Amino acid sequence: DAGVIQSPRHEVTEMGQEVTLRCKPISGHNSLFWYRQTMMRGLELLIYFNNNVPIDDSGMPEDRFSAKMPNASFSTLKIQPSEPRDSAVYFCASRPNSANYEQYFGPGTRLTVT
Amino acid sequence: GNSVTQMEGPVTLSEEAFLTINCTYTATGYPSLFWYVQYPGEGLQLLLKATKADDKGSNKGFEATYRKETTSFHLEKGSVQVSDSAVYFCALGQGGSEKLVFGKGTKLTVNP
Repeated sequence: DAGVIQSPRHEVTEMGQEVTLRCKPISGHNSLFWYRQTMMRGLELLIYFNNNVPIDDSGMPEDRFSAKMPNASFSTLKIQPSEPRDSAVYFCASRPNSANYEQYFGPGTRLTVT
Repeated sequence: GNSVTQMEGPVTLSEEAFLTINCTYTATGYPSLFWYVQYPGEGLQLLLKATKADDKGSNKGFEATYRKETTSFHLEKGSVQVSDSAVYFCALGQGGSEKLVFGKGTKLTVNP
């Protein structure tokens, strides 16, 4: 079975540009999580969805960040406008309702904002 | 609130050495505990887990025992290999929240 799929794997953009990161969760998984990983701050949960509904977005750093999950098989994380401090690796993870908290991570998108 | 504290790295060992990475947690009740591993350039993968006190999780030669009396879940391996070089994260999950609380990660480098 395919794991969590993220695209693009690498993104380089200039400050002020819009960036959209994409995630396809594992089929049948009900929850989806977006994380950001940096050397300084470690792994941070940005937002998570259950059955396509945002449940907790308290980790979203500011209004420049937004996330959507229009259906069970697709989610986006958008940054507009992007800033150099947004440079990080962004991970998507999914989880079935039956799992005991266990999450399955994608390979990540490495974002560089110049 | 819930929190996880793990030993700061980096940890550097020679091949076949014994590994311990300490992890302690703060939580009410009985959380589930996890160790995740992140190999270079990859996402996190579940390494092992324990869901109740005194449970021992094990995988790939790694072990961790859920100790409620010391609120700990230390990761151990008797003989590390170069291929074990990675970042290891301790995490807990509890209650009605689906979120996992992660430690800051410990980078392990194993030299031949």
